[in-house]
Amino acid sequence: GENVEQHPSTLSVQEGDSAVIKCTYSDSASNYFPWYKQELGKRPQLIIDIRSNVGEKKDQRIAVTLNKTAKHFSLHITETQPEDSAVYFCAAGGADGLTFGKGTHLIIQP
Amino acid sequence: EPEVTQTPSHQVTQMGQEVILRCVPISNHLYFYWYRQILGQKVEFLVSFYNNEISEKSEIFDDQFSVERPDGSNFTLKIRSTKLEDSAMYFCASSVGSLSYGYTFGSGTRLTVV
Repeated sequence: GENVEQHPSTLSVQEGDSAVIKCTYSDSASNYFPWYKQELGKRPQLIIDIRSNVGEKKDQRIAVTLNKTAKHFSLHITETQPEDSAVYFCAAGGADGLTFGKGTHLIIQP
Repeated sequence: EPEVTQTPSHQVTQMGQEVILRCVPISNHLYFYWYRQILGQKVEFLVSFYNNEISEKSEIFDDQFSVERPDGSNFTLKIRSTKLEDSAMYFCASSVGSLSYGYTFGSGTRLTVV
């Protein structure tokens, strides 16, 4: 089955700086790679996703890159703001289900 | 915006009891899922359901678990004999299908087994 590794587990950045979270996956059949933001006690909220036929996608301050050859994908958040503080999960899979990484606790320092 | 609805939001049950968690997926979605999240841990896949049958399940989804779509709108997860370690947040999700994923998660049911 799929195995997703996510790093780092905790990331502390100064407000206004960039944050990068990285994930690797093992199953070459995975073709959908979403990123979720989760606040305490709430559901995962999709913030951006990328499909296997695309190498990069950007939505305002958030971007995701995918390297299918190396089986890794990354989340980039620029100009971080206090409301970006949360746990972020990457996931990999397809229509039959997603495998999640262990999460990154992003802390934005004022 | 369409939502996936889950009930109840919180359920407390005694060990050994059966529980049924309920979900109403988005009406035009074709794929349905259950995930669970133990407090402070990652989200774990349990099962996917398509065309009225299970399409994939994880090792967690053993004989104590079952899913059903009894009436074309509800999607339920049953745990036959709950254990303490079943305590977790259970999320239902649905997806349009293989050409356009975009999973939508419900707000979850917090199951506490005592």
